[in-house]
Amino acid sequence: DVKVTQSSRYLVKRTGEKVFLECVQDMDHENMFWYRQDPGLGLRLIYFSYDVKMKEKGDIPEGYSVSREKKERFSLILESASTNQTSMYLCASSFQGTGGNEQFFGPGTRLTVL
Amino acid sequence: GQNIDQPTEMTATEGAIVQINCTYQTSGFNGLFWYQQHAGEAPTFLSYNVLDGLEEKGRFSSFLSRSKGYSYLLLKELQMKDSASYLCAAKTGGGNKLTFGTGTQLKVEL
Repeated sequence: DVKVTQSSRYLVKRTGEKVFLECVQDMDHENMFWYRQDPGLGLRLIYFSYDVKMKEKGDIPEGYSVSREKKERFSLILESASTNQTSMYLCASSFQGTGGNEQFFGPGTRLTVL
Repeated sequence: GQNIDQPTEMTATEGAIVQINCTYQTSGFNGLFWYQQHAGEAPTFLSYNVLDGLEEKGRFSSFLSRSKGYSYLLLKELQMKDSASYLCAAKTGGGNKLTFGTGTQLKVEL
């Protein structure tokens, strides 16, 4: 059974704190993605990675960084959390290549920044 | 830029058929995905179209017209458990990057 797990379901942090969100997949997928999901805005891509130590900016990378030291793990880092980063964060993974390689999503982390 | 449009909300009756439309304007289009997302849960894959035409999978079917930048998801024999948000997503470029629409919230009523 394929699985993407995220370190926390709910997280509350204070403005200015450094926040780490962890994502692990057990499917040997090359690609990993971080999205945030907000009402009325849908899923927006923050960063993605095609390989270990490789990262590319998505549509809204400002205020975020990522790390991929191992194939199965992709971390999202909020260097200095702000209230506008309060959101649902979803991690996903997929195989590489052409064709319909669907993305598998983790359960999400609901982050509140006070 | 990338733009994907789908209706915000739809309501349908149990046992009926509903069609959820999606139009897209994207560069490097390379396929169209539909995902289902129940409240508080992760999105789950429903279908993928890359060629024009209809793909049928049980009660769910998905259609694509590349020339018109248009897709729809057809749900037959609606059940209460089909109440969820349906996300349209365009695959762009050679990788697996997806651009999502804002989702259509479907409510199935008795």
